[in-house]
Amino acid sequence: DVKVTQSSRYLVKRTGEKVFLECVQDMDHENMFWYRQDPGLGLRLIYFSYDVKMKEKGDIPEGYSVSREKKERFSLILESASTNQTSMYLCASSSAGGRVKNIQYFGAGTRLSVL
Amino acid sequence: AQSVTQPDIHITVSEGASLELRCNYSYGATPYLFWYVQSPGQGLQLLLKYFSGDTLVQGIKGFEAEFKRSQSSFNLRKPSVHWSDAAEYFCAVGTTGNQFYFGTGTSLTVIP
Repeated sequence: DVKVTQSSRYLVKRTGEKVFLECVQDMDHENMFWYRQDPGLGLRLIYFSYDVKMKEKGDIPEGYSVSREKKERFSLILESASTNQTSMYLCASSSAGGRVKNIQYFGAGTRLSVL
Repeated sequence: AQSVTQPDIHITVSEGASLELRCNYSYGATPYLFWYVQSPGQGLQLLLKYFSGDTLVQGIKGFEAEFKRSQSSFNLRKPSVHWSDAAEYFCAVGTTGNQFYFGTGTSLTVIP
């Protein structure tokens, strides 16, 4: 059974803190994604990675960075958390060949609150 | 610009009734089309997809969707809804330019 695991279901952080969201997949997928989900806005892509140490900006990369040192792990970093980054964050992975046709498998999400 | 529209933010249906969730897209060529479902507290799960061929596609959990090029639509249907279908449903579109877009979602409530 395919599995994408996000390390935390809920996180509460303070403004200005550095925040790490971790995602691990066990499907040997080349592509990994970070999305942000907000009511009325759907899912918006923050960053994606198509290989180890490779990354591309999505639609809303400002205020975020990512790290992919190993194929199975993709981290989202909030360098200095702000209240407008309070949201649900979803990680996904897919096999190689572009992100259009390949099915994305999602983790359960991390609900981040920044106070 | 490409976009995906789910015009219904929230839908309520009775258990056993039929269901249709609407999805419209804006894209010049034939897109790759997907429906995902998100149950409470869960990530998104693929229900079905359309790439080419038969415009009526069958998915998991008894869902189906029909691609209508003339209407730029890919509506999701189920003939008889179960209480466990209560969830949020997302339509998504992929383009040949390697872009991928999600709609804003439709929340489904099922009443006994």
